[in-house]
Amino acid sequence: QVQLVQSGAEVKKPGASVKVSCKAPGDTFASYGITWVRQAPGQGLEWMGWIGASSGTTNYAQQVQGRVTITTDTTTNTAFMELRRLTSEDTAIYYCARVAQDSFDYWGQGTLLIVSS
Amino acid sequence: QSVLTQPPSASGTPGQRVTISCSGSNSNIGSNPVNWYQQLPGTAPRLLIYSDSQRPSGVPDRFSGSKSGTSGSLAIRGLQSEDEAVYYCAAWDDRLNGIWVFGGGTKLTVL
Repeated sequence: QVQLVQSGAEVKKPGASVKVSCKAPGDTFASYGITWVRQAPGQGLEWMGWIGASSGTTNYAQQVQGRVTITTDTTTNTAFMELRRLTSEDTAIYYCARVAQDSFDYWGQGTLLIVSS
Repeated sequence: QSVLTQPPSASGTPGQRVTISCSGSNSNIGSNPVNWYQQLPGTAPRLLIYSDSQRPSGVPDRFSGSKSGTSGSLAIRGLQSEDEAVYYCAAWDDRLNGIWVFGGGTKLTVL
């Protein structure tokens, strides 16, 4: 069973930045991409972006383009999602997931982000 | 507003068969595989169906997927109480250099 382990809950003020981590098994980034999906309270799933295997190619959803950066650190087998210029609308649970066969086959446990003054 | 369209709710009694639809367009479902995810209350989503109709190991064969044109469908036969969850469809979309899109989710209630 592949486990993706995410960092803990965060509380941030409007205008601040947050960086969420997602630790994956050792071979993940060589062969698989990582995507980030968020879910606002009581709402559905919203795709944010992804980073491809090996090449590190990224693509982001229009809604967060310019505010989000997804990276990987192959030395620690960790993926990161940084979101800047936070507003209350960014309050959500953030999930990382492994990309395989054009689907998201394993998911992290989720990281709650609360943006509040 | 979600790119893929799902009914907001569905219901059935134990043992029944239910289906959930997912409508898209040529740029997503029409040219790429459909995936389905199950989200039980308070948990992360779980991959249920990939590549239109394939089940990952561990997913019961009561769950099946199909696709026709720009629409996908998830069927659950022999409905059980533990199937009560929200189900999401998703697909790669060829627009904007490629993005993934989700449906709005269908809340399945087992009566």
